[in-house]
Amino acid sequence: AQSVAQPEDQVNVAEGNPLTVKCTYSVSGNPYLFWYVQYPNRGLQFLLKYITGDNLVKGSYGFEAEFNKSQTSFHLKKPSALVSDSALYFCAVIYGGGRRALTFGSGTRLQVQP
Amino acid sequence: DTAVSQTPKYLVTQMGNDKSIKCEQNLGHDTMYWYKQDSKKFLKIMFSYNNKELIINETVPNRFSPKSPDKAHLNLHINSLELGDSAVYFCASSQGSEPYNEQFFGPGTRLTVL
Repeated sequence: AQSVAQPEDQVNVAEGNPLTVKCTYSVSGNPYLFWYVQYPNRGLQFLLKYITGDNLVKGSYGFEAEFNKSQTSFHLKKPSALVSDSALYFCAVIYGGGRRALTFGSGTRLQVQP
Repeated sequence: DTAVSQTPKYLVTQMGNDKSIKCEQNLGHDTMYWYKQDSKKFLKIMFSYNNKELIINETVPNRFSPKSPDKAHLNLHINSLELGDSAVYFCASSQGSEPYNEQFFGPGTRLTVL
């Protein structure tokens, strides 16, 4: 079984401050981990993924995420938030064993205040 | 230039009706998906096709039937619509059959069953 948890429904941060959106996962094998972003009334857009290798993954729009195997976490980070980063962020996992379907977290709404 | 397109964007219908949602991708991808996003923004896989072959069929009522006439299209037909079917339905596609490939999402179809 595979699952992913996003413990925060909403994260509020001031523009220019660093942001973190949390994600923890549970899989019985090597995980493939993803972050997607959804802007209002739009489909999801891929931000970044971890497959293997370097634990720090860099993605689109200045976002990065760190894979931490011991803590089973894959938190999304950005050094300096922009108002335009305000959106719904989804963490997702695929079990490396072959099931092709993404299992999504419940989503975290990021609100960046000017 | 639209990569993954869905029609219609909005669909309002009465309980008991039959309706279809169409999806087309012009990315040359081999795998296509249908996801359902409920009112609380939970996103769940419904179906996945690879080269016109059904590879994932989650616990979805038989009233939902996907059809893939070719690699570029994956349509969703829903019989005897129920109130609980109201949601946003997203189509997505990815290159090849590897589970770690980035998925490209369509803009969504908001289905309202009255």
